[in-house]
Amino acid sequence: QKEVEQNSGPLSVPEGAIASLNCTYSDRGSQSFFWYRQYSGKSPELIMFIYSNGDKEDGRFTAQLNKASQYVSLLIRDSQPSDSATYLCAVNEAAGNKLTFGGGTRVLVKP
Amino acid sequence: DAGVIQSPRHEVTEMGQEVTLRCKPISGHDYLFWYRQTMMRGLELLIYFNNNVPIDDSGMPEDRFSAKMPNASFSTLKIQPSEPRDSAVYFCASSPLAGGPSRTKQYFGPGTRLTVT
Repeated sequence: QKEVEQNSGPLSVPEGAIASLNCTYSDRGSQSFFWYRQYSGKSPELIMFIYSNGDKEDGRFTAQLNKASQYVSLLIRDSQPSDSATYLCAVNEAAGNKLTFGGGTRVLVKP
Repeated sequence: DAGVIQSPRHEVTEMGQEVTLRCKPISGHDYLFWYRQTMMRGLELLIYFNNNVPIDDSGMPEDRFSAKMPNASFSTLKIQPSEPRDSAVYFCASSPLAGGPSRTKQYFGPGTRLTVT
């Protein structure tokens, strides 16, 4: 059973601070990793993806991947109240195109 | 592009009735996925198609669930007969085959909120 684990939160962050979200996965052969943001009552929205070890930056978001330790993280810099949402980590299995989703981390950014 | 389109957005039905959910993927996308999301179980993949062919239906909970994709622009998920435990939000997602099979980025539709009473 392939698993993707996330802390459910809520992760409470003051406005302007850095939010740090972590995700661990069990399938050592996983190739690609995605972060989705889901607002309450809405559908998941792809915000970041990463394939290689190291960091990938896009605006205020940075994804970090460590395949040896089987974890992927998401940093949100200068957090804004509009970043309050649930963040889903998704992992693409080694073969095929299935994504396995974690349970999500709820983030609350307080003004 | 209009994005993934799903209908209906909300469906309330009585136990035992047939329910049909519909999805129109993004034009040109090769893959279509059906997911179910509940508070208890999170986001679960039910089935996915590649070029209209079902590839993996291991997530379909039981025989009451069936999915079809008669052409590249339309798919249905049917539940017959429906039960209260089927109440959930059902999402359809599509993705292009870009950057290789393991790098498919999935784009979600708005979902159908199903309530079975």
